[in-house]
Amino acid sequence: AQSVAQPEDQVNVAEGNPLTVKCTYSVSGNPYLFWYVQYPNRGLQFLLKYITGDNLVKGSYGFEAEFNKSQTSFHLKKPSALVSDSALYFCAVRDGGATNKLIFGTGTLLAVQP
Amino acid sequence: GAVVSQHPSRVICKSGTSVKIECRSLDFQATTMFWYRQFPKQSLMLMATSNEGSKATYEQGVEKDKFLINHASLTLSTLTVTSAHPEDSSFYICRAMGGSTDTQYFGPGTRLTVL
Repeated sequence: AQSVAQPEDQVNVAEGNPLTVKCTYSVSGNPYLFWYVQYPNRGLQFLLKYITGDNLVKGSYGFEAEFNKSQTSFHLKKPSALVSDSALYFCAVRDGGATNKLIFGTGTLLAVQP
Repeated sequence: GAVVSQHPSRVICKSGTSVKIECRSLDFQATTMFWYRQFPKQSLMLMATSNEGSKATYEQGVEKDKFLINHASLTLSTLTVTSAHPEDSSFYICRAMGGSTDTQYFGPGTRLTVL
């Protein structure tokens, strides 16, 4: 079965510093990986996805993620954090077959201090 | 602008009543709708998948008679929580997907509180 793991419940970073939110995956076959952001009491907003191609994927709001097959990781990164980036971040993998289900990680709360 | 809406955004009801949550795709035809629930500080748990005009497929452990899902049109799916109890209090989120897997958006969510 497909799964993703987010090992950190919370990441704290100072504004202006680079940030990394970690995600590792376990899939059979080719991985379809996603990152979403959720602000309080809101639905999820799509940030970026990896389907195939370049290992470095650029997404919304200056975020990017690097697909690393050998380490089975898909960490989310941003060179310079903003206070407004503070939110809950979810890594997800698309389930195999034709179901198009998304399997989510447990989420990582990003707190950016001014 | 938002391409998937949910109504209501927030609802408080008494125990034993039923609550209907609507999910609408505004700019595209949603052939598939997914319903999730999210408990505080937890991840999204898929409840069921529905294809337009077909019965919903429920995930293991989700009571289909309690969480009624209707997907009668390509722009509307409804989730009805029947005989709601306090443990049903949660954040319910829909995800609408069009003909292409590139066309998929989450709704803004509905906060259900059962007293």
